[in-house]
Amino acid sequence: ILNVEQSPQSLHVQEGDSTNFTCSFPSSNFYALHWYRWETAKSPEALFVMTLNGDEKKKGRISATLNTKEGYSYLYIKGSQPEDSATYLCALDNFGNEKLTFGTGTRLTIIP
Amino acid sequence: DSGVTQTPKHLITATGQRVTLRCSPRSGDLSVYWYQQSLDQGLQFLIQYYNGEERAKGNILERFSAQQFPDLHSELNLSSLELGDSALYFCASSVGREIYEQYFGPGTRLTVT
Repeated sequence: ILNVEQSPQSLHVQEGDSTNFTCSFPSSNFYALHWYRWETAKSPEALFVMTLNGDEKKKGRISATLNTKEGYSYLYIKGSQPEDSATYLCALDNFGNEKLTFGTGTRLTIIP
Repeated sequence: DSGVTQTPKHLITATGQRVTLRCSPRSGDLSVYWYQQSLDQGLQFLIQYYNGEERAKGNILERFSAQQFPDLHSELNLSSLELGDSALYFCASSVGREIYEQYFGPGTRLTVT
């Protein structure tokens, strides 16, 4: 059973502050790591798909890095805004068969 | 709007019954995935179809089955329903080759009473 862990479980951040959280995964048989943003009452929205060790991806104020050798990925949000409030999920594809194993997420709340 | 549609949005049924959930992928996507989100668990992968054929299987119960039709829409059939099957069922789609983002539908909330 794959263990994809995310920390912290929840996070409260003041509007305007930057923040980051972690996704840890087994480094063996790594194929790809996905990040999703999931707002309450909506469906998960794809942010990034990362495959290469050292990869860094950016979308607006959100960026992510990947370390496949040590088995972790960081998601960064710069200058948090209220609309960033959501649960951020990472998911591991470890055989290239697109069968994703999701972490339990980091629930981010931005305080205005 | 991801372009993935799911029907129905809500479904309430009794134990022992059978239901069918439907998913239409984004235009051009060949892969369809089904996920289950229970109250006490994270998103669990159930099954994937690619261009009509089963491609990957997760922790899908034997009481559950799925198929993908020639027009690429997919159905998830849940039978002999139990209280524990109450969950949010998501469908996602992707182009289906190599590594692509999966686009999630709005989900079907199933309540078994």
